[in-house]
Amino acid sequence: GAGVSQTPSNKVTEKGKYVELRCDPISGHTALYWYRQSLGQGPEFLIYFQGTGAADDSGLPNDRFFAVRPEGSVSTLKIQRTERGDSAVYLCASSLISLAGGTGELFFGEGSRLTVL
Amino acid sequence: AQTVTQSQPEMSVQEAETVTLSCTYDTSENNYYLFWYKQPPSRQMILVIRQEAYKQQNATENRFSVNFQKAAKSFSLKISDSQLGDTAMYFCALGTTSGTYKYIFGTGTRLKVLA
Repeated sequence: GAGVSQTPSNKVTEKGKYVELRCDPISGHTALYWYRQSLGQGPEFLIYFQGTGAADDSGLPNDRFFAVRPEGSVSTLKIQRTERGDSAVYLCASSLISLAGGTGELFFGEGSRLTVL
Repeated sequence: AQTVTQSQPEMSVQEAETVTLSCTYDTSENNYYLFWYKQPPSRQMILVIRQEAYKQQNATENRFSVNFQKAAKSFSLKISDSQLGDTAMYFCALGTTSGTYKYIFGTGTRLKVLA
């Protein structure tokens, strides 16, 4: 697609349930990022992929959160045993990273709003 | 540790006037990018303007310009001839070109353009 696509756009679930959020980045973008944005706050870094591997997962809050990118394109953020505090908008962004230097611009999707009841 | 600070939670400006949004940052890296992103109510973040740290000249994109003060670690955004469509949250962000290319965002400034 032309832009970063995220599904679902909205997800309501009950406390304790398992949730998957999907991100389809811009074709050819090697870098993929997940951020979490709570109401009235800035995006909070969760995890960054370069290709298939997680280059930096230091932002994942705990072991209930996990993300994969098995073929270096689509990524899935997985949240186990959801808690009310997980409610937020989860943003995905992709970027064309070049070691020789790139634009550095992140292209964002519209986000997935997760509500945990 | 890298940090980005936006000290103005909310601002307002009259249509056609000029407004400046403040941002300060901290990093030990010498090479990095600075960005201003706009997030309208529709939620999608859109790049407004980008500055490479090695460039001394301030970036300009139409009505948007920055004042980049590297020594002071300051990166303010000036919006000239404000339009109603500029109403949005504005986020300052820092991205390094070494290590893991992590991007750090500030807490944002909510800008309202008044008719």
